[in-house]
Amino acid sequence: AQKITQTQPGMFVQEKEAVTLDCTYDTSDQSYGLFWYKQPSSGEMIFLIYQGSYDEQNATEGRYSLNFQKARKSANLVISASQLGDSAMYFCAMRELTQGGSEKLVFGKGTKLTVNP
Amino acid sequence: KAGVTQTPRYLIKTRGQQVTLSCSPISGHRSVSWYQQTPGQGLQFLFEYFSETQRNKGNFPGRFSGRQFSNSRSEMNVSTLELGDSALYLCASRVSANEKLFFGSGTQLSVL
Repeated sequence: AQKITQTQPGMFVQEKEAVTLDCTYDTSDQSYGLFWYKQPSSGEMIFLIYQGSYDEQNATEGRYSLNFQKARKSANLVISASQLGDSAMYFCAMRELTQGGSEKLVFGKGTKLTVNP
Repeated sequence: KAGVTQTPRYLIKTRGQQVTLSCSPISGHRSVSWYQQTPGQGLQFLFEYFSETQRNKGNFPGRFSGRQFSNSRSEMNVSTLELGDSALYLCASRVSANEKLFFGSGTQLSVL
């Protein structure tokens, strides 16, 4: 079974600075996908960025980038120029294929990010 | 384009009752998944439906069930509620396999 580990329960960053949220994963699959989601206090899970295991370039989406180190099995999220609105829970997740062609996401425990003014 | 819509937003029930949660996926999305989120267990997969068929179910007791209608809308039912069923229930939809999941805002269920 696949496993996602987020070792930082909470992180603090000053507004306008960059922050890195850690994520390591464990899988025996050769093909897999990694996701980062943001969950503000409203509860909705907001998709941020995706990295496929065969993607040669690190994924980027605006202020979000993914530092993908396949050999180390890590997929850290980097948020540049932090904003107050970035304060939220951040979840790393991996796609797991199941029988019958179904798939599900396996989530880490999350990291609570607080951006200070 | 409207996002994933979940109703109701909040629910309060007592032990032993049953509850039905509703989810309307993004237009054109045929796959609907449900996840349970609790402080202790985190986010756990409940089940996935595609074209009205349950394709997979997570490690939850039979009290948790669901269905999907021809318009892709989905409902989740929990019978004989227990205190431990208190959680945020998130619904997500996607167009097809290998596409990212779009989540709704969830239904916060409190069992007293």
